[in-house]
Amino acid sequence: DVQLVESGGGLVQPGESLRLSCAASGFTFSNYGMIWVRQTPGKGLEWVAYISGTADTRHYADSVKGRFTISRDNAKNSLYLQMDSLRADDTAVYYCARGGQPSGRYWGQGTLVTVSS
Amino acid sequence: DVVMTQSPLSLPVTLGQPASISCRSSQSLVYSDGNTYLNWFQQRPGQSPRRLIYKVSNRDSGVPDRFSGSGSGTDFTLKISRVEPEDVGVYYCVQDTHWPKTFGQGTKVEIK
Repeated sequence: DVQLVESGGGLVQPGESLRLSCAASGFTFSNYGMIWVRQTPGKGLEWVAYISGTADTRHYADSVKGRFTISRDNAKNSLYLQMDSLRADDTAVYYCARGGQPSGRYWGQGTLVTVSS
Repeated sequence: DVVMTQSPLSLPVTLGQPASISCRSSQSLVYSDGNTYLNWFQQRPGQSPRRLIYKVSNRDSGVPDRFSGSGSGTDFTLKISRVEPEDVGVYYCVQDTHWPKTFGQGTKVEIK
């Protein structure tokens, strides 16, 4: 069975950094692009970032461009999101999901990031 | 960015009755390969999103056949033929054609 398990969320102050991880299993990780999607409390979904299977292509939402970096380690079947210069409006549940086209067949359970002083 | 507009945003339905959600995109979702990458997701309370429909009208495995998707170009619809209690939640359309990927605002389906 495909499993995606996020970790690394927590409470940080504005301007600080946080690194999220997503452990993947049940499929050939390197064959798939991966995405991060976030959901602000009580609100909708926002696509955040994408990375191709070989990591040679990355895309970011304008709201995080220059502050967040998506990466992966195919040897460890792991996806990462390095979040720098965090702001209050980055507070959200962050999900990793399997990419591809079409994307989103499998999602993790999410990890909560709270940015507050 | 492609703007995805769903309607209605709230949909009270009677059990056993049909329901329909509209999703419109600000530009065509036909990709260069000829496919239209419009997907539908369901998010039940307290759960992660679950994909129901991909490429407009293809049901994911395990999705009941009471769910169907249709449409083309910029105009799409998700239909539930007979609403069941487990269908309560928020439904999102998302375009997978253009960068950045964009979601609709969500339609909350609740039982009357």
